[in-house]
Amino acid sequence: ETGVTQTPRHLVMGMTNKKSLKCEQHLGHNAMYWYKQSAKKPLELMFVYSLEERVENNSVPSRFSPECPNSSHLFLHLHTLQPEDSALYLCASSQLTGTSASDTQYFGPGTRLTVL
Amino acid sequence: AQKVTQAQTEISVVEKEDVTLDCVYETRDTTYYLFWYKQPPSGELVFLIRRNSFDEQNEISGRYSWNFQKSTSSFNFTITASQVVDSAVYFCALSERYNNNDMRFGAGTRLTVKP
Repeated sequence: ETGVTQTPRHLVMGMTNKKSLKCEQHLGHNAMYWYKQSAKKPLELMFVYSLEERVENNSVPSRFSPECPNSSHLFLHLHTLQPEDSALYLCASSQLTGTSASDTQYFGPGTRLTVL
Repeated sequence: AQKVTQAQTEISVVEKEDVTLDCVYETRDTTYYLFWYKQPPSGELVFLIRRNSFDEQNEISGRYSWNFQKSTSSFNFTITASQVVDSAVYFCALSERYNNNDMRFGAGTRLTVKP
């Protein structure tokens, strides 16, 4: 496996279900990100983990719960979602060097989520 | 806060035509970074280029070229002799020096190249 992988690629769930999205990066990076891409809206940053610690949470509802057990894996746990949460969820990783340089983010293929 | 505008929602061209995708940005930071990504129908965002604010030299990579002009806050992307495989949504993005976790994306331009 190379780059950033995400599973599942497609997910359909009811509003009362609990599911998890998984992301794995094979690039040796130390930062990982979750983005939400809805139809006709720009990509929205949801969560950022740097060195396995959450550094940013852009006012995301608590029904989305991230988990980063190590620098290579990132999960997004979902529960009691709403139909408006249907979107493409993208994971990305980058190597933060500790300087002020901005680091390129590399993306996975995304999970297409449909909430019924 | 930084902002990226891609005014062209959709562009359709015929194969072998040249096409330019526009990107205009806003930032108060003097040090910032600009990116272009390609999103084919498969969904993955593919990194194309990164440019820092101190490097205004234009760049060419095969059929792709980028024109960075700080005077107009633009970072336009040109595909020469377009091909059907270039059909995708293209995103321009900006991150600031001291806020590099928060990369702001434009709304994207959907390019369709017809045979």
